[in-house]
Amino acid sequence: SQTIHQWPATLVQPVGSPLSLECTVEGTSNPNLYWYRQAAGRGLQLLFYSVGIGQISSEVPQNLSASRPQDRQFILSSKKLLLSDSGFYLCAWSEGLGTNEKLFFGSGTQLSVL
Amino acid sequence: KNEVEQSPQNLTAQEGEFITINCSYSVGISALHWLQQHPGGGIVSLFMLSSGKKKHGRLIATINIQEKHSSLHITASHPRDSAVYICAVRDYGGSQGNLIFGKGTKLSVKP
Repeated sequence: SQTIHQWPATLVQPVGSPLSLECTVEGTSNPNLYWYRQAAGRGLQLLFYSVGIGQISSEVPQNLSASRPQDRQFILSSKKLLLSDSGFYLCAWSEGLGTNEKLFFGSGTQLSVL
Repeated sequence: KNEVEQSPQNLTAQEGEFITINCSYSVGISALHWLQQHPGGGIVSLFMLSSGKKKHGRLIATINIQEKHSSLHITASHPRDSAVYICAVRDYGGSQGNLIFGKGTKLSVKP
C-alpha cells in the first residue's frame, strides 16, 4: 500500500540553528513530491516541489531549501533558522494527472523557532 | 492566478444534521480536491473531481464547472466528522506544483 512518513512530528529549535525535516514515500515510484507550510488561519503554501531525483522547483523565496537525494526521499533544510520559519510543515506526494490524480499527505511537523 | 474561497469559515452542527461546505474558484480548472485535516494536523484526500458528483459513504462532493463552484455535503453528521475541510484546485496546464488551496472550513459536530 502507499504510505508517506514524515518526521519529526514536533520540533523546537533556537534561532540560527540548522533544520532538517525528512519525508519518505512507500508503495510508488517516481512520485511528485511537495513541501507545504501552513500558517494559522491561512491556506497551505507550496514551498518546493520535485518531479524527479535532483529536480527541485521553488515557489517562494525564503530561508529554506529542499533536496531529493533518492526517488522517494524529500528533505527540507535550512542552514540558519529564523523566527519566521515557525509553522506547520507538510510533505505530500502525488501520482497521475488530471482526472487520475491522487494526492497523499504526511502527518506534518510543527516547528517552533525560539 | 486562481483565487479559492471557502464558506463558511467555521461551522457548528448538531449530530445528525446535514452539512454543506462551499468552494468557489475564479479561473477554469482541471481538477478540484476536497481534503480533510484532523486536529493532529495530518491531511487526508477525500475526493478528486473534474465534473459531476462523487459519493463515498456519508460524504458527497459536487462540482459545477460553469459556475466555478463545488460543494461538500455530509449526511447524518457525527462528532468524528469534526475537522477542517480544505478545497484545492489545479489550474489548466498548471505545473505539478500549481495546486491552490482554500483557507479551510472548520467543522465542529456536537453530540
